[in-house]
Amino acid sequence: TQLLEQSPQFLSIQEGENLTVYCNSSSVFSSLQWYRQEPGEGPVLLVTVVTGGEVKKLKRLTFQFGDARKDSSLHITAAQPGDTGLYLCAGENTDKLIFGTGTRLQVFP
Amino acid sequence: DADVTQTPRNRITKTGKRIMLECSQTKGHDRMYWYRQDPGLGLRLIYYSFDVKDINKGEISDGYSVSRQAQAKFSLSLESAIPNQTALYFCATGQEVTDTQYFGPGTRLTVL
Repeated sequence: TQLLEQSPQFLSIQEGENLTVYCNSSSVFSSLQWYRQEPGEGPVLLVTVVTGGEVKKLKRLTFQFGDARKDSSLHITAAQPGDTGLYLCAGENTDKLIFGTGTRLQVFP
Repeated sequence: DADVTQTPRNRITKTGKRIMLECSQTKGHDRMYWYRQDPGLGLRLIYYSFDVKDINKGEISDGYSVSRQAQAKFSLSLESAIPNQTALYFCATGQEVTDTQYFGPGTRLTVL
């Protein structure tokens, strides 16, 4: 049973645009991680958020954990072609990670 | 050298064949995981192991088995492959669940 829904599923934008990816669940998670995956490779961790309402920034990427720890968002400012990839959220559930459905981002020059 | 390696990287097989996918890690982590990835479904957990003597079923373990031969090695077997097991398979390692999981490069398996 998939507990984490991501939206949008696909996103195709021009370089310089801003975007937001959402990760939603009806379940509460102890923590939530965001990964990025490039073709032919495994996912690579971007950030872990633990506290409800927590905001973390990684250069042009801003991650927020919902107050109720059921949802999260990833905002990218001034997207660049190097941001292209599959973005996955993953929530901690009984000592395991439950991965979201993924958002495939394409940034055109 | 890569911290998490998977072999083979690509495999095409026929329905009914037995297949083994292998994973090795040099990070010294106790925890190892097997996931499969299908388009639109993200990664789903097949099996996980918290140490050599501890093996646990994940979300989609039916049709799969695993063996933890050593701290560094965790193999996944498909006893009798079927076409809907065609997918990308990833091995991962980690220490605590809130820490980073380190993924291998994946094995692309096609069952005809």
